[in-house]
Amino acid sequence: DFQMTQSPSSLSASVGDRVTITCRASQGINKFLAWYQQRPGTVPKLLIYGASTLQSGVPSRFSGSGSGTDFTLTISSLQPEDVATYYCQNYYFTAPFTFGPGTKVDI
Amino acid sequence: QVHLVESGGGVVQPGGSLRLSCAASGFTFSNYGMHWVRQAPGKGLEWVAFIRHDENDKDYAESVKGRFTISRDNSKNMLYLQMDSLRGDDTGLYYCAKDQPPHSNGWTDYWGQGIRVTVSS
Repeated sequence: DFQMTQSPSSLSASVGDRVTITCRASQGINKFLAWYQQRPGTVPKLLIYGASTLQSGVPSRFSGSGSGTDFTLTISSLQPEDVATYYCQNYYFTAPFTFGPGTKVDI
Repeated sequence: QVHLVESGGGVVQPGGSLRLSCAASGFTFSNYGMHWVRQAPGKGLEWVAFIRHDENDKDYAESVKGRFTISRDNSKNMLYLQMDSLRGDDTGLYYCAKDQPPHSNGWTDYWGQGIRVTVSS
């Protein structure tokens, strides 16, 4: 079965820290990967698609990289409003459009 | 301005049925695929179903295959999810989400606010 994994499952960092979240696909998905942010009690928000393309309006401190099976989301300087759970999602395999289990980021 | 508004949720007994609706506005609905995604209380996101812009392809998560049916009415800008044989683990917040880019399948760029479904006796 196709799976997406994320690490770590949670992290705590300080304001201004550089934060890196890893997402791994069980099979190669080229660059067909998106990242979403879900702040507590809110709707998920698209951050990045195509593994590295920043969605319009998303702060430039967010960046994505990777291809194939290994991907990263980086927050270059963590801000208080970045407290959220972050999910990766594959869209190379359409069934299913699997989400990763999420990474909870706290300050 | 893209708007997606879900309706039709509620409390249902195990084995029962519900039909969720999603009213879309602010974009050319017939050009875009649409998804249903759910989130159980305190849990992560789970993709449920996808329908192509022209209804020529529908995909389902294994957990709902054979029980849920996704459909759309492009003349009314409406997306639907018929949920039958509901189980306790179907409980959660159900989101409709717009796919991007047009005439294809990809990432989701807009989400509704979600509608709650509770399966309980």
